[in-house]
Amino acid sequence: DGGITQSPKYLFRKEGQNVTLSCEQNLNHDAMYWYRQDPGQGLRLIYYSQIVNDFQKGDIAEGYSVSREKKESFPLTVTSAQKNPTAFYLCASSTQGTGGTGELFFGEGSRLTVL
Amino acid sequence: AQTVTQSQPEMSVQEAETVTLSCTYDTSESDYYLFWYKQPPSRQMILVIRQEAYKQQNATENRFSVNFQKAAKSFSLKISDSQLGDAAMYFCAYRSARGGTASKLTFGTGTRLQVTL
Repeated sequence: DGGITQSPKYLFRKEGQNVTLSCEQNLNHDAMYWYRQDPGQGLRLIYYSQIVNDFQKGDIAEGYSVSREKKESFPLTVTSAQKNPTAFYLCASSTQGTGGTGELFFGEGSRLTVL
Repeated sequence: AQTVTQSQPEMSVQEAETVTLSCTYDTSESDYYLFWYKQPPSRQMILVIRQEAYKQQNATENRFSVNFQKAAKSFSLKISDSQLGDAAMYFCAYRSARGGTASKLTFGTGTRLQVTL
């Protein structure tokens, strides 16, 4: 079955440590996204990538980094510079351009807790 | 920049009744997509319904339908014959049809729907 796989589902981190969240898709989508979800704030865009080896900052990119070396993979690193990293992180993908249905397909999310 | 506003943080509906969730958005574009996503306690985001802005006809998916008012920039979701499984957070979202750097999805803050017996 085609879909998006995020891992790990739950992650605990000590303050000052970097952590990387994995996102893999087999939908052959060009575009991939990382969103952060906090209570009462909906989903906020961290980074997105439209093609391999290219990505753009979203609304809240500070303290995060990404890479897009393969079409299928878009890992997110939460660095020690992120002041409040405890949150639920969602990865998504979509087709590009004006074709397709326009929707984003989501993974099941990763819950990061900083101790 | 586009913004999406959901003015109802919480709504409640009795089982088998109908409920309408509100959403307004702000954009200067004429071609775009609008979505309603459902997020149950499992936190998996599930697409409920989509609307292309160039289509005048309101989208319908089984018990879910929308009232799309392009001039008013309003996109409400109607759930008919509500079921216990409809209880979830519902997010309204906007996406430009231009693609490229405009392809990101902008979400509202969500409406928590409770379904009571």
